[in-house]
Amino acid sequence: DVKVTQSSRYLVKRTGEKVFLECVQDMDHENMFWYRQDPGLGLRLIYFSYDVKMKEKGDIPEGYSVSREKKERFSLILESASTNQTSMYLCASSPDSNYGYTFGSGTRLTVV
Amino acid sequence: EDKVVQSPLSLVVHEGDTVTLNCSYEVTNFRSLLWYKQEKKAPTFLFMLTSSGIEKKSGRLSSILDKKELFSILNITATQTGDSAIYLCAVFTGANSKLTFGKGITLSVRP
Repeated sequence: DVKVTQSSRYLVKRTGEKVFLECVQDMDHENMFWYRQDPGLGLRLIYFSYDVKMKEKGDIPEGYSVSREKKERFSLILESASTNQTSMYLCASSPDSNYGYTFGSGTRLTVV
Repeated sequence: EDKVVQSPLSLVVHEGDTVTLNCSYEVTNFRSLLWYKQEKKAPTFLFMLTSSGIEKKSGRLSSILDKKELFSILNITATQTGDSAIYLCAVFTGANSKLTFGKGITLSVRP
């Protein structure tokens, strides 16, 4: 069964901490994405990647960075966590635009 | 800027009712429109629509796309409590694989 795995289901961090959210897919997909989901705002794209070591900014990249050193792994980094980054973070992957995304189960991050 | 608008934002119905969820879009270089269902965790894929007027069906769910009027509807007949979820509409645009999502419709089905 194909899968996108996010390393943590729930995470609580302190303001100012550096936070790593990990995402691994086992489908050999080229494309990987990070979204955050907030009530009333829907899913908003943070960063995406079409290839190893390649990244592009989405709609709300401020305060975030990403790393894609291997095809199967796409990491989201919060350089200095702030309370307004409390959210549900969803990772997704896809082979190309002829197919929909496969999503991970999400990481609910709380910054206190 | 690409835009996907879903309506209504929330809906409460009783078991057995039929519901229609709406999705309109204003995007450049439309490729396809997708519907997802999200319960407590990951959104799960329902339909991908690329051609106007061709209904896609899966059990009690069906969906159709109108590329002239730039909208899609998702119908659920004989609703059940298990249909309670957030329904997401998203559009693929341009040459890349980036999806733009609507805000989602929260459907609650009461017994």
